[in-house]
Amino acid sequence: AQKVTQAQTEISVVEKEDVTLDCVYETRDTTYYLFWYKQPPSGELVFLIRRNSFDEQNEISGRYSWNFQKSTSSFNFTITASQVVDSAVYFCAHDSWGKLQFGAGTQVVVTP
Amino acid sequence: DSGVTQTPKHLITATGQRVTLRCSPRSGDLSVYWYQQSLDQGLQFLIQYYNGEERAKGNILERFSAQQFPDLHSELNLSSLELGDSALYFCASSPGELAGADTQYFGPGTRLTVL
Repeated sequence: AQKVTQAQTEISVVEKEDVTLDCVYETRDTTYYLFWYKQPPSGELVFLIRRNSFDEQNEISGRYSWNFQKSTSSFNFTITASQVVDSAVYFCAHDSWGKLQFGAGTQVVVTP
Repeated sequence: DSGVTQTPKHLITATGQRVTLRCSPRSGDLSVYWYQQSLDQGLQFLIQYYNGEERAKGNILERFSAQQFPDLHSELNLSSLELGDSALYFCASSPGELAGADTQYFGPGTRLTVL
């Protein structure tokens, strides 16, 4: 069965520090997709990034970057130069057959 | 704004009652998904509809049912409500049938409180 683990419950940083969120997944599928979503205090779920299992190229998009390592089943997410607006719960998710499986989430608190 | 709309925003009801949550997907999206977010269970997938047909099922209770109408909006019906059903219910939509191949965009959610 699929499982997504976000071991960090909460991370607190001061503005402009970098934040790295860990995500480890378990799957038996060879084709799957990984996601990061953000849930700010307002409650909505905001899509951040998506990656498929065949593409391990790590990229940077603005202040966001990710590190996908199939060998360790990890899909870590980094916010560079954090801002107060980045304060939210971040969810890692896995999908292979239409069922998005979420991790428990990591609360990120960015203080000025 | 994701383009997915959900009504109502808040719902307060009593145990034993039945409620209906409504979702309108983004323009052009044929798949609708329902999720439940609670403190106990986290974010859980309930069910997916694609172009009017049930496509995938998750941890949806028998007391819950859903459907997708010809205009592609969807309704989630929750009956015989219990205190534990209090949660934030999200709807999401995507263009295609296979969820992972597309990104799911989420609505603002309906917060259900069962007293």
